[in-house]
Amino acid sequence: QQQVKQSPQSLIVQKGGIPIINCAYENTAFDYFPWYQQFPGKGPALLIAIRPDVSEKKEGRFTISFNKSAKQFSLHIMDSQPGDSATYFCAASWGGGGATNKLIFGTGTLLAVQP
Amino acid sequence: GAGVSQSPSNKVTEKGKDVELRCDPISGHTALYWYRQSLGQGLEFLIYFQGNSAPDKSGLPSDRFSAERTGGSVSTLTIQRTQQEDSAVYLCASSPPGQGIYGYTFGSGTRLTVV
Repeated sequence: QQQVKQSPQSLIVQKGGIPIINCAYENTAFDYFPWYQQFPGKGPALLIAIRPDVSEKKEGRFTISFNKSAKQFSLHIMDSQPGDSATYFCAASWGGGGATNKLIFGTGTLLAVQP
Repeated sequence: GAGVSQSPSNKVTEKGKDVELRCDPISGHTALYWYRQSLGQGLEFLIYFQGNSAPDKSGLPSDRFSAERTGGSVSTLTIQRTQQEDSAVYLCASSPPGQGIYGYTFGSGTRLTVV
């Protein structure tokens, strides 16, 4: 119940394409769903996050779609660029940050955007 | 400091040796977290510090793993009698007061290789 399942494991798209990364969870107590971006040799950095009271959130070229009934959420990258090539992790947590202070991470998706 | 600093950046050790990994959080960040990132896996929570106390150490995989934090600042993760399965990237994150999971800043990690 604590797991977050992420797919695909890797993804190759052409510049300008729209890669989509999917995550699924079981624990209905989860109420915070962030996406992290990690470049080689660096730590993950927060990209965008959503709460279950909205179905979509956009920040620049990055969009999270959230389906509460299906317990799924996904990251879309519009007009992808070679600089977006990185590993992307979804995560989830619960308790409003007070009851818990840990994130449950997916296994990551290695994205390559070809010029 | 400007960011979360981890040292060493790389560590190669022989099986059975003890290792110490260091994390310097961002100044003023009261919360500190350790995660482990194994090849092909997501980030696995190890331990959470609030000040010098560790209210959640549920992720430490065995009694060979221990961590401490002193002065509300620097933290050290110690692995005794290292095994090959301990090979991973060990990531530290810190967070400002009251932000918990919403305010994570990760360091670049220590890549540990046990040979």
